[in-house]
Amino acid sequence: TQTVSQSDAHVTVFEGDSVELRCNYSYGGSIYLSWYIQHHGHGLQFLLKYYSGNPVVQGVNGFEAEFSKSDSSFHLRKASVHWSDSAVYFCAVSPPNTGKLTFGDGTVLTVKP
Amino acid sequence: EAAVTQSPRNKVAVTGGKVTLSCNQTNNHNNMYWYRQDTGHGLRLIHYSYGAGSTEKGDIPDGYKASRPSQENFSLILELATPSQTSVYFCASGDAGGRGQDTQYFGPGTRLLVL
Repeated sequence: TQTVSQSDAHVTVFEGDSVELRCNYSYGGSIYLSWYIQHHGHGLQFLLKYYSGNPVVQGVNGFEAEFSKSDSSFHLRKASVHWSDSAVYFCAVSPPNTGKLTFGDGTVLTVKP
Repeated sequence: EAAVTQSPRNKVAVTGGKVTLSCNQTNNHNNMYWYRQDTGHGLRLIHYSYGAGSTEKGDIPDGYKASRPSQENFSLILELATPSQTSVYFCASGDAGGRGQDTQYFGPGTRLLVL
């Protein structure tokens, strides 16, 4: 069974700041990792995913994430946030060949002007 | 032209009543999913489907049934609704990439209140 932990329930930054949202997982084998964003009152939207290869993956709107096998982590980063990045961010994991996602509880990102 | 739509968007039901939540996708994806999201938590998988005629149990299937009559449509059925099923329900379709993990595309959600 896989688990996902997002240690920060809330993160607040100012516009133009960099941000890192943390995600740690536990699973005994190879696993897919992904990030989704949810704006208030909407469904989730895909940001990026990783399975193998370059541990740094690029996503939409300037987001990137870095996989670390030693730390069992897949942290999401953005170099310069915009107020429109305010949303809830979910990390998700999936064993290969299942399509089933297990989500973390989410991190609420608030970007102040 | 939203690719995953859900109806109704809001629903109030009575305890013991039957509730059907509908989902339609125009992505031509094989996989479809039903999740519930409770305040302060991530999404939890209820049922999913790999194609028309197929349904599979997710992580929390008790009290729910699912139906996939066609590629486009996937319904979630609460035969005897209970207040504990008050939640926001999301449908998603998945593109089943070659290595087996979908990128999932979500609908706008249905807010269900069971009184």
